[in-house]
Amino acid sequence: QKEVEQDPGPLSVPEGAIVSLNCTYSNSAFQYFMWYRQYSRKGPELLMYTYSSGNKEDGRFTAQVDKSSKYISLFIRDSQPSDSATYLCASKWGAQKLVFGQGTRLTINP
Amino acid sequence: ETGVTQSPTHLIKTRGQQVTLRCSSQSGHNTVSWYQQALGQGPQFIFQYYREEENGRGNFPPRFSGLQFPNYSSELNVNALELDDSALYLCASSLPSGQETQYFGPGTRLLVL
Repeated sequence: QKEVEQDPGPLSVPEGAIVSLNCTYSNSAFQYFMWYRQYSRKGPELLMYTYSSGNKEDGRFTAQVDKSSKYISLFIRDSQPSDSATYLCASKWGAQKLVFGQGTRLTINP
Repeated sequence: ETGVTQSPTHLIKTRGQQVTLRCSSQSGHNTVSWYQQALGQGPQFIFQYYREEENGRGNFPPRFSGLQFPNYSSELNVNALELDDSALYLCASSLPSGQETQYFGPGTRLLVL
């Protein structure tokens, strides 16, 4: 079993829709949770960074972590074609390595 | 503030050759991590360097080695290249505190023929 599981998609939605991206993880030691956005042939760009359980909002993006169910979510409101990318969830504890999911490929259709 | 930079951007090698990839960390960051990202997969941790010492290693063979220099820049060396080494190699820099996350460079795309 992978430490972080993520549905690779692809996911295609119309412009303006609310997008929900999800991951599950198995390592109870994970304390920090991140979402990265990766455009084609580019490096991952940090979108959201949360510690422990709870919600964090930044503009159109909301990250949720539920440690009791080991579930990580990213919501994108009013989705735009420029949001089309691969979204990677990642987790870590302490200063240790980041453990990534497989990534979900998202397309927003105009 | 300068972000993470990597060189070269693209590289083509043949099986059995050796390759060196380079990374300059973000200003003020003294910890560098390297990741391998195969097509359609998430990045996989190779190793991390802090104060010029290896500080954690993933499930990669010894032919993957690295260095960190006093200015915090880093190199990834891969010997005896195999076809499966074809991937995007990502460098990420951070502060050493466990609370800090990692910021990635654009990557080096390596193709092994």
